[in-house]
Amino acid sequence: GAGVSQSPSNKVTEKGKDVELRCDPISGHTALYWYRQSLGQGLEFLIYFQGNSAPDKSGLPSDRFSAERTGGSVSTLTIQRTQQEDSAVYLCASSNGGVTEQYFGPGTRLTVT
Amino acid sequence: AQSVTQLGSHVSVSEGALVLLRCNYSSSVPPYLFWYVQYPNQGLQLLLKYTSAATLVKGINGFEAEFKKSETSFHLTKPSAHMSDAAEYFCAVSDLYNTDKLIFGTGTRLQVFP
Repeated sequence: GAGVSQSPSNKVTEKGKDVELRCDPISGHTALYWYRQSLGQGLEFLIYFQGNSAPDKSGLPSDRFSAERTGGSVSTLTIQRTQQEDSAVYLCASSNGGVTEQYFGPGTRLTVT
Repeated sequence: AQSVTQLGSHVSVSEGALVLLRCNYSSSVPPYLFWYVQYPNQGLQLLLKYTSAATLVKGINGFEAEFKKSETSFHLTKPSAHMSDAAEYFCAVSDLYNTDKLIFGTGTRLQVFP
């Protein structure tokens, strides 16, 4: 079946602009995660959705970052007033929740100029 | 809070040699531990996971890892490296308060030379 997909694959934006990154999880997966991968920094947890529960936003680095998940499926990560330090690869993953495998998308490479 | 330390950001081995990628964790209770692999320009893929059953865990592509509580380690090994093993490897530990969440290490890039 189809895996996790993300769009766009690459995004170049000017400092100060807003960007939206999209994630389509595996159908039926209840949990959806966003991570940020910066060079030499590993994966940084950003936000986590599980079913109808309130999202865990504890990893969002600032109030310029927000995410929503509509209908328990597609998710959008929004970064407002982008800064150069936001440049990174943003990875989305989905799972059935619990201690199960997280399936990752290929990521969106964001470059802020 | 839990944390994961991966010793060595880069490891180089010859084809056919032993692969050893180190991971140490910090946790106040027995954790769930994972190894993921990321091939170039791809997302992460689960190699194996430890969930308090057998301490020696076998994964895909001939990799295995051993949970050693006394050493707080979960090192990844493969007896004989293949060129296709060249990738970045991430160790992760489940969050203490929410096991759905993973805390990742900074990764180890494995190079395999012919």
